[in-house]
Amino acid sequence: DIQMTQSPSSLSASVGDRVTVTCRASQSISSYLNWYQQKPGKAPQLLIYAASSLQSGVPSRFSGSGSGTDFTLTISSLQPEDFATYYCQHSYSGPPMYTFGQGTKLQIK
Amino acid sequence: QVQLRESGPGLVKPSETLSLTCTVSGGSISDYYWVWVRQPAGRGLEWIGRVYPSGTTTYNPSLKSRVTMSADTSRNQISLRLGSVTAADTAVYYCARDDFFSGLAGYYYGMAVWGQGTTVTVSS
Repeated sequence: DIQMTQSPSSLSASVGDRVTVTCRASQSISSYLNWYQQKPGKAPQLLIYAASSLQSGVPSRFSGSGSGTDFTLTISSLQPEDFATYYCQHSYSGPPMYTFGQGTKLQIK
Repeated sequence: QVQLRESGPGLVKPSETLSLTCTVSGGSISDYYWVWVRQPAGRGLEWIGRVYPSGTTTYNPSLKSRVTMSADTSRNQISLRLGSVTAADTAVYYCARDDFFSGLAGYYYGMAVWGQGTTVTVSS
C-alpha cells in the first residue's frame, strides 16, 4: 500500500502569513493527489485535486503543487477561517485503497 | 444541490454488525463512485472503501474481511456493513461522493460532496 506522510503535524501561524504543508508518498503517484480541509465537528472539504487543480468555490489563496512523490499545499495569506486541519490523500488507481495523510493542524499563533 | 445523509444505530455491541445507510437527495447515485470514510475522535481520516452502483467495490485491505458495501438505485442509497466490531471501530462515519475530474494527464477522483457524518459507538 502507498503511505502518505504529512509535515508538519501541527503548525502555528498568524493571519496574513504564507503557509506551506508538505505531503510525501511512499511511491510515485504522478499527480493523483488531493487536499482536504476539515474544521472541528465538520466533514472534510475538497480543496485541491490532481495535485494543483482548485476545486470550484475554493478561494484562490489556496494552491497545490508537486508530482511523483512530493507535494505541497500553500495558503498565500492566511485568513481567520483557514485555521483547520488539512489532509492529503492519494487517488492513484494502482493499489486498492486511497490513503490519507495523518493531517496537519493549523493553529493561530 | 446534492445532499448526503448518513443514518443508522449510534450504539453497536461488540462482535455485532454495524449497519449504516447514506441517503442521497438532489441527484442520482447512478453515475458516481460512493465512498465511506471514518474518523475516530481526535484522530485522522481512514478510507474504508468505495462502491459503484453496478456493484463494483474496493475495500481497505485492513477492513476487507469485515466490510460490505452496496448501492440501491431504486432508493438512491448507499449502505455499509462492518462485521465483528470492536471498540476500535468507534468513530464518526462519513459517506462521500467520489467525483470524477478530467485533467491534462488523465482522469482524477476526489471526494467533493460529503455527508455530515454519524457517530457510532461500539460498547456493551
